[in-house]
Amino acid sequence: SQQGEEDPQALSIQEGENATMNCSYKTSINNLQWYRQNSGRGLVHLILIRSNEREKHSGRLRVTLDTSKKSSSLLITASRAADTASYFCATAVYTGANSKLTFGKGITLSVRP
Amino acid sequence: NAGVTQTPKFRVLKTGQSMTLLCAQDMNHEYMYWYRQDPGMGLRLIHYSVGEGTTAKGEVPDGYNVSRLKKQNFLLGLESAAPSQTSVYFCASRFPGLEAFFGQGTRLTVV
Repeated sequence: SQQGEEDPQALSIQEGENATMNCSYKTSINNLQWYRQNSGRGLVHLILIRSNEREKHSGRLRVTLDTSKKSSSLLITASRAADTASYFCATAVYTGANSKLTFGKGITLSVRP
Repeated sequence: NAGVTQTPKFRVLKTGQSMTLLCAQDMNHEYMYWYRQDPGMGLRLIHYSVGEGTTAKGEVPDGYNVSRLKKQNFLLGLESAAPSQTSVYFCASRFPGLEAFFGQGTRLTVV
């Protein structure tokens, strides 16, 4: 089973509104990352938060991490039509000498002009 | 500035044929990953490598093999392709503790 689970599966909002996406995971992590994918393209990294951090900002993005609840949220403020894409959370887990990076199923965000 | 390059970009195989997907990165990254993406399933980890000469199994390794003979290259092999392996394959690489960089994907159809 996949480590990360995003919620909701799909989100439709009006331009200018805020979009909040959630991610829950199962095991202890080293860091959690959010990615964006435009249709038919590769994934692009948005923001990374380490397990000892609680909140990070990058432009219109704000990510929080609650390790006690094994959950994270991504907030996109003042959304634009160009933010329409799929968003994925990924967890980096170290197991001995190895380091997995596993993804959830993703959230489809539609921003209506 | 190439980043992560996957070849080929598209391929159609007949059931039972074999092929190798190549991932090349020019960023000197230690870690490399192969994923497959199917509708509604997100990205699932096939195999990964934390350094030259090392590989490890991910979530869905069956039917695939990998090799990392050179640090910059990570090869994904399908020995006997099956229709269930029809998918979009993504390669990614990264430094330990940092974000991953992805290739543009290989769209594979097995008929």
